[in-house]
Amino acid sequence: GESVGLHLPTLSVQEGDNSIINCAYSNSASDYFIWYKQESGKGPQFIIDIRSNMDKRQGQRVTVLLNKTVKHLSLQIAATQPGDSAVYFCAEWESGRALTFGSGTRLQVQP
Amino acid sequence: DAEITQSPRHKITETGRQVTLACHQTWNHNNMFWYRQDLGHGLRLIHYSYGVHDTNKGEVSDGYSVSRSNTEDLPLTLESAASSQTSVYFCASSEVADTDTQYFGPGTRLTVL
Repeated sequence: GESVGLHLPTLSVQEGDNSIINCAYSNSASDYFIWYKQESGKGPQFIIDIRSNMDKRQGQRVTVLLNKTVKHLSLQIAATQPGDSAVYFCAEWESGRALTFGSGTRLQVQP
Repeated sequence: DAEITQSPRHKITETGRQVTLACHQTWNHNNMFWYRQDLGHGLRLIHYSYGVHDTNKGEVSDGYSVSRSNTEDLPLTLESAASSQTSVYFCASSEVADTDTQYFGPGTRLTVL
């Protein structure tokens, strides 16, 4: 399958633990943020998004936190499962500009 | 179900040859995008289109071209393939909206020898 990257930052967690993946973004004018999950051999898959007028948004087992003061975004995964093992990308978007992706973090879930 | 497909999934070609990668989406999305993904670089935008007959250059457009003759398809052409274009290519699409949630295809691995 398509490899994503061999030198990505890696987060290793035990199955059942909570995971926190962090992302620093660069554009203070970005007003929309997305987290993507990419499994080996597949394209990125949308997980959750958040607008800049929010600081927290929850989905099923996932929560995104946004701190605009320090331009930081995090993805929290509750009760991490082996199927969560993947590379996770954040992306930022400013109206009128193209979506900009971060370089990604590899999540490894140990059984 | 609506989807986005890419073909071929794997391609090996030689330096100097013209190569076209296909992207087809059935969501009726106006926006379509092509990215390449390389070790250490994440996803980099090659070209994008906001509608039929509209095309725009992205961050790494040199050596690539696209055309948009209908809503569903955005083929990516490498006019004269170079070894530096060995990569994994992803197509994506999104609705016209005040956000830009993009939905990705499965990717094409291209090797230029």
